[in-house]
Amino acid sequence: AQKITQTQPGMFVQEKEAVTLDCTYDTSDPSYGLFWYKQPSSGEMIFLIYQGSYDQQNATEGRYSLNFQKARKSANLVISASQLGDSAMYFCAMRGYAGGTSYGKLTFGQGTILTVHP
Amino acid sequence: EAQVTQNPRYLITVTGKKLTVTCSQNMNHEYMSWYRQDPGLGLRQIYYSMNVEVTDKGDVPEGYKVSRKEKRNFPLILESPSPNQTSLYFCASSPGQASFVGTEAFFGQGTRLTVV
Repeated sequence: AQKITQTQPGMFVQEKEAVTLDCTYDTSDPSYGLFWYKQPSSGEMIFLIYQGSYDQQNATEGRYSLNFQKARKSANLVISASQLGDSAMYFCAMRGYAGGTSYGKLTFGQGTILTVHP
Repeated sequence: EAQVTQNPRYLITVTGKKLTVTCSQNMNHEYMSWYRQDPGLGLRQIYYSMNVEVTDKGDVPEGYKVSRKEKRNFPLILESPSPNQTSLYFCASSPGQASFVGTEAFFGQGTRLTVV
């Protein structure tokens, strides 16, 4: 079974500052991928960044980076130079593979609401 | 444009009145699934389909049905909705097994369902 834990229900950050959103995971799958999605108030799910379990380097996408610490089973999202438009719900998710039919499922955390103050 | 389209976006219905939420994708994806989002619980998988005529239960399947008669469509059916099915629903699609782990899931716009 897979589990994702986001322990921060809400986070606040000042505009232009950096913020880290925490995500820890648990899985026994030998191969897995970790994802972050953004959900603005309009409700859609926007893919931000992906990290594979065998990737040697931390993923980066523009202002987003993923601080992947495999031994600690954490995959924190770092947003640099926060903008007002970053205010949203953020979900950490994982997809694992141990053979069989479980390959497509995404397991989500509870989400973190980020508020960016001007 | 690659997309997953859900309809309707908003729906208010009464207990026991059958309803269908449609989902269609234009990316020729094999894998499709339905999730529900509830406060404090994140998104949980309801049903999934690996290909045409192949469907299976996710984590919270009770009270829901699905079908996959065509590759592009994956409707969610609530035969007798109850208030505890009030939620935000998402359809998602992904390519097949060959490239699955690192492939993002494409989500529909969401359907906000209220059952009174």
